[in-house]
Amino acid sequence: QQQVKQSPQSLIVQKGGISIINCAYENTAFDYFPWYQQFPGKGPALLIAIRPDVSEKKEGRFTISFNKSAKQFSLHIMDSQPGDSATYFCAASPDSNYQLIWGAGTKLIIKP
Amino acid sequence: DGGITQSPKYLFRKEGQNVTLSCEQNLNHDAMYWYRQDPGQGLRLIYYSQIVNDFQKGDIAEGYSVSREKKESFPLTVTSAQKNPTAFYLCASKGQANSNQPQHFGDGTRLSIL
Repeated sequence: QQQVKQSPQSLIVQKGGISIINCAYENTAFDYFPWYQQFPGKGPALLIAIRPDVSEKKEGRFTISFNKSAKQFSLHIMDSQPGDSATYFCAASPDSNYQLIWGAGTKLIIKP
Repeated sequence: DGGITQSPKYLFRKEGQNVTLSCEQNLNHDAMYWYRQDPGQGLRLIYYSQIVNDFQKGDIAEGYSVSREKKESFPLTVTSAQKNPTAFYLCASKGQANSNQPQHFGDGTRLSIL
């Protein structure tokens, strides 16, 4: 019940296309859902985050879609660029302890 | 610039040896974390500290130890009891433990067995 399941494990998208990464959870106590971006040899960095009181949040080319009833959330990268090539992690945490539970990560490659 | 510094970037351990990974932050953050990253497994929490002189075990604490004697520093020791230590180790900090403030990460230490 503490898991966050992330898919796909890897993804190849053409430049200019839309990249979509999905995450699912079981614990209804989760109420904060961040996405982190990690480049090779670096630590992850917060990309965008959402709380369950909204269904969508957009920051530039990055959008989180949130479906509370399905317990799923996804990251959409519009007009994907080679510089977006990285590993993306979803995560979730409850307000009871604010401890992040991490998805397994998605390695995204944007082909020029 | 404020940030988290992990050292060394690469570390090699011999059988039966303890090694210590350094993590220093100048962000004035209360909370600090150690994660282990293995391919295809995401980030797994080893230890965390919400405040100076306090730390708690995470999901995979066996074979590891930490200390938090100063706010800025949270070193991780990988002991000889950790039988599979080869991994990428990440240190992170957060302003306040009981908050949804983002975690800030260092650039990691890659530990390998000789």
